Amino acid sequence: DAGVIQSPRHEVTEMGQEVTLRCKPISGHDYLFWYRQTMMRGLELLIYFNNNVPIDDSGMPEDRFSAKMPNASFSTLKIQPSEPRDSAVYFCASSLDFTSYEQYFGPGTRLTVT
Amino acid sequence: AQTVTQSQPEMSVQEAETVTLSCTYDTSESDYYLFWYKQPPSRQMILVIRQEAYKQQNATENRFSVNFQKAAKSFSLKISDSQLGDAAMYFCAYRSKAAGNKLTFGGGTRVLVKP
Repeated sequence: DAGVIQSPRHEVTEMGQEVTLRCKPISGHDYLFWYRQTMMRGLELLIYFNNNVPIDDSGMPEDRFSAKMPNASFSTLKIQPSEPRDSAVYFCASSLDFTSYEQYFGPGTRLTVT
Repeated sequence: AQTVTQSQPEMSVQEAETVTLSCTYDTSESDYYLFWYKQPPSRQMILVIRQEAYKQQNATENRFSVNFQKAAKSFSLKISDSQLGDAAMYFCAYRSKAAGNKLTFGGGTRVLVKP
């Protein structure tokens, strides 16, 4: 298996622009997670899905952030409009089911908003 | 809400020596999982070791072992025979069994390995 795939690996954009991050989970995994990593706040969960349905979005910072999972093999995290404080590394992770202890992380997308 | 604290921002160890990373957590639950993840410069998050709270025996994975003290809510990681490839950020993480499948991470400890 190719593991969790994220694209792009790096994104540089200007303030005010729309940014879309993409994730393909491991095939057969029921859970998908979006995390953000910054120096100030560390690793924090933004949202997670179970069988394509959002379960907990309490970590989504504000309305500028939205996430979708239209099918079992694809998810997006969108920021519109982007701001410099959104600069971070965004990770996608997936896990097999509720009893599975391990989350498999993608390589992350480094987002820079200027 | 659960919190995870790693009090050591950075630790240095000589190659082939042993280093211990500390982690404490706060929870009112009795059953949960604890993890240590490694993040090398490549950014990839790699699971190192896990512990289930109901198991008294400390988990071991090759050169990595934990000291799980449930009453003290402490979960330290010991790296034995340190290798240059162990240099990375290490994150302690908590997962509730009752309240969803999400991980709560500590702030991380950077491990430097001196040749």
